[in-house]
Amino acid sequence: AQKITQTQPGMFVQEKEAVTLDCTYDTSDPSYGLFWYKQPSSGEMIFLIYQGSYDQQNATEGRYSLNFQKARKSANLVISASQLGDSAMYFCAMREPRIKAGNMLTFGGGTRLMVKP
Amino acid sequence: GAVVSQHPSRVICKSGTSVKIECRSLDFQATTMFWYRQFPKQSLMLMATSNEGSKATYEQGVEKDKFLINHASLTLSTLTVTSAHPEDSSFYICSATAGTGRGNQPQHFGDGTRLSIL
Repeated sequence: AQKITQTQPGMFVQEKEAVTLDCTYDTSDPSYGLFWYKQPSSGEMIFLIYQGSYDQQNATEGRYSLNFQKARKSANLVISASQLGDSAMYFCAMREPRIKAGNMLTFGGGTRLMVKP
Repeated sequence: GAVVSQHPSRVICKSGTSVKIECRSLDFQATTMFWYRQFPKQSLMLMATSNEGSKATYEQGVEKDKFLINHASLTLSTLTVTSAHPEDSSFYICSATAGTGRGNQPQHFGDGTRLSIL
């Protein structure tokens, strides 16, 4: 079974609108952490936002917020007021410290977001 | 803070050449570094976990004699692709974390190396 699933291979959004990128996960580790990274066409991986399994509130970082629904095992990324520079690949990743030692991450397949002017 | 430098950014070389890629944590000590491979339009595939002062831990299916990893210090890990062939052409990217990796510490990534074997 897939540990991290991103069901949207590609998405379009109009500039200035909000967009939600889906991520579901599967783990038996109660102390997991979820990360979102952005990868522009140049290739670098940019850390966006983190949600811990015990965090009571949804994480927010500027225009990025995480819609964390623990019972449904989903951690969707919401980007508000999309900008042309948001066009990139977005990866959801999970850390399971009690299952995988040493801070390993498991990545989803990614979603390519394209912002239309 | 938490800058990871990866060098070179692009390599084009002939088949049979060995290629060394460096990954440095510039402003923190990285006990553990990770090496990933990424094919076009695909996700990152973990190749190995590199621990300072010990042998790297390779993922299943990754040839340790093909992809040599050396983590000589807390700020430097190297990946050497030995006797590279066209099928080794790919995007290689490293990452590192400071400390034990608990809590919300993300992996910080280098900018990647695009390897093309002719």
